[in-house]
Amino acid sequence: GIQVEQSPPDLILQEGANSTLRCNFSDSVNNLQWFHQNPWGQLINLFYIPSGTKQNGRLSATTVATERYSLLYISSSQTTDSGVYFCAVEQGRGSTLGRLYFGRGTQLTVWP
Amino acid sequence: DAMVIQNPRYQVTQFGKPVTLSCSQTLNHNVMYWYQQKSSQAPKLLFHYYDKDFNNEADTPDNFQSRRPNTSFCFLDIRSPGLGDAAMYLCATSRVFGTSVADTQYFGPGTRLTVL
Repeated sequence: GIQVEQSPPDLILQEGANSTLRCNFSDSVNNLQWFHQNPWGQLINLFYIPSGTKQNGRLSATTVATERYSLLYISSSQTTDSGVYFCAVEQGRGSTLGRLYFGRGTQLTVWP
Repeated sequence: DAMVIQNPRYQVTQFGKPVTLSCSQTLNHNVMYWYQQKSSQAPKLLFHYYDKDFNNEADTPDNFQSRRPNTSFCFLDIRSPGLGDAAMYLCATSRVFGTSVADTQYFGPGTRLTVL
C-alpha cells in the first residue's frame, strides 16, 4: 500500500514561533487531508487539500501533488496548537473510495 | 450543528465480556468508518460502510463486527475483548460521490475502551 511519511516526528516551540510540518507520500492520490488531534483525542479536520494552497487563519497548507508532498504551516503558534498533527491520503476506487492512509503524525508542543 | 456523536465516551469492560460502541451522525453522509487508535499510533481502519455495503479490512480480527441499521447509526461490536483491544475507537463519516470522489472525513470524539 501507499506509504505516508511525516516529519519531524516531534516539535517543541515557544509560543509565537512559526513552524512547518511535512508529509511525503509514495504514490498518486485522490486527495490529502490534515488533521489535528487534541489532547482529548478528537481528530479535527484542518484542510482537505488534494493540490494547491489553502489558508485558514494562522494555518495554511500547500500540496504539490506532482512531487508527492504537502506542507502545513503554523504561524504565531499558541499553546492551544499543541497536539498531534496527522496527514492522511486517499487513493481508492469504488468500494475503497474514501479509505485514508495515515502518517505517523507530528507531536507538537507549544510552551508559553 | 451537524456532527458525529459517539457513545459512551469512556467504556470499561471485563476480559471476554462483549461490548458495543455506538456512533451516530447528523451529516447525512453515505459512508461511515470505524478506526482503532492505540497510544502514540496513527488511527487504523477496521471497516467501513459505503451506504449499506460493508467493507472489512483484511487484517481486522473476526472479534470485531459492525452493524449499520440506517444511514444515521453505526455500531461496533467486540465479541470477546482482550487486553490488546484496549484503545480509542474513532468513528468517522464522509460523503462519497459516485466511484471517484470522496469528500472530507469528519471524526467523532471517540470512545476510550479499557479492558480489565
